[in-house]
Amino acid sequence: AQKITQTQPGMFVQEKEAVTLDCTYDTSDPSYGLFWYKQPSSGEMIFLIYQGSYDQQNATEGRYSLNFQKARKSANLVISASQLGDSAMYFCAMREGVTQKLVFGQGTRLTINP
Amino acid sequence: GAGVSQSPSNKVTEKGKDVELRCDPISGHTALYWYRQSLGQGLEFLIYFQGNSAPDKSGLPSDRFSAERTGGSVSTLTIQRTQQEDSAVYLCASSSRDRSSYEQYFGPGTRLTVT
Repeated sequence: AQKITQTQPGMFVQEKEAVTLDCTYDTSDPSYGLFWYKQPSSGEMIFLIYQGSYDQQNATEGRYSLNFQKARKSANLVISASQLGDSAMYFCAMREGVTQKLVFGQGTRLTINP
Repeated sequence: GAGVSQSPSNKVTEKGKDVELRCDPISGHTALYWYRQSLGQGLEFLIYFQGNSAPDKSGLPSDRFSAERTGGSVSTLTIQRTQQEDSAVYLCASSSRDRSSYEQYFGPGTRLTVT
């Protein structure tokens, strides 16, 4: 069975600082994909970034980057130069099996302070 | 283009009543997923459609839950004889299997409250 672990229930960061959100995963499948989603208070799930297990480079999307350490089975999200609008829940997820359904971690609530 | 839409956005129902939740995926997306988000259980997978068939129903919590998809597009999740533990936000997502990432695009969700 696959499992996603997010150990930080909440984080508080000063505006403009960088922040790292932790995610570890457990799978025996050699082919997998890891996602980060943002969920603001409005409730929608917003895709941020994706990392495939065979990707050689760490994924980057604007201010978001994924620190992928395959041997340690970690896929931490790094947000550079945080903004007030980054305050939200962040979910790490892994796609599983033939159906590609997502298995989610419990989430980290990020609060950016002015 | 239009994203995934869901209706209703909010639904309050009495215990024991049946409810139907609707999902309109992104046009052309062949894969459709239902998830449930509740305080106690987090985000959990319910059912997966590829076209009109549902090869993975492993997440449906009981036989009170069923879903169908017609025309490879709209999907309806039905909960019969609702219970208070069914209260949650029900999220629908669709995906194009053409992308190697299989990124899923989520709808805004339906908040179900069972009183």
